[in-house]
Amino acid sequence: GQNIDQPTEMTATEGAIVQINCTYQTSGFNGLFWYQQHAGEAPTFLSYNVLDGLEEKGRFSSFLSRSKGYSYLLLKELQMKDSASYLCAVRDGDYKLSFGAGTTVTVRA
Amino acid sequence: ETGVTQTPRHLVMGMTNKKSLKCEQHLGHNAMYWYKQSAKKPLELMFVYNFKEQTENNSVPSRFSPECPNSSHLFLHLHTLQPEDSALYLCASSQDPGGSQETQYFGPGTRLLVL
Repeated sequence: GQNIDQPTEMTATEGAIVQINCTYQTSGFNGLFWYQQHAGEAPTFLSYNVLDGLEEKGRFSSFLSRSKGYSYLLLKELQMKDSASYLCAVRDGDYKLSFGAGTTVTVRA
Repeated sequence: ETGVTQTPRHLVMGMTNKKSLKCEQHLGHNAMYWYKQSAKKPLELMFVYNFKEQTENNSVPSRFSPECPNSSHLFLHLHTLQPEDSALYLCASSQDPGGSQETQYFGPGTRLLVL
């Protein structure tokens, strides 16, 4: 089966940096996604990694190491609006996504 | 602004009721998905439709019955549900299953409570 692990909760201060780790053991690998989900809202796409290395998009960056089965999402210059759940998902075939349980990030003033 | 809409946003039903969830995507995508999201658990894929054909049924109980009349609309028909079926039901769509950067876009979900 698929096994995707990420921390349940993280708390950080406004303006700080937070790193959300995700480890995976899946039967196949065809890319890793990060989604943001605010309470009561749809998950929204943040980033996609299929090759090793760092992908940067503004304040958000995502890193992948396929050999280690590891990814992280880095949130810089945290803002209050970044308080949300962050979902790690691995695509193990053409389209099927397997999700982690999500990491709830709370940003405090 | 999401291109995937879902109705209703909230639904309360008894175990003997029959109801339907509706999803519509305005993105011109070819694939649509139903997921179940329970508290503190990973999203669980339920069904996948690709070009209106069901390509995945992830061992979902028969009290959940999907319908995909065209590539833009997806329904989930519910009957004789159990309290443990209470969850957030999310619909998603994607352009080209199997594409190199294939991304799924989600609707806001229907919060279902079964009494």
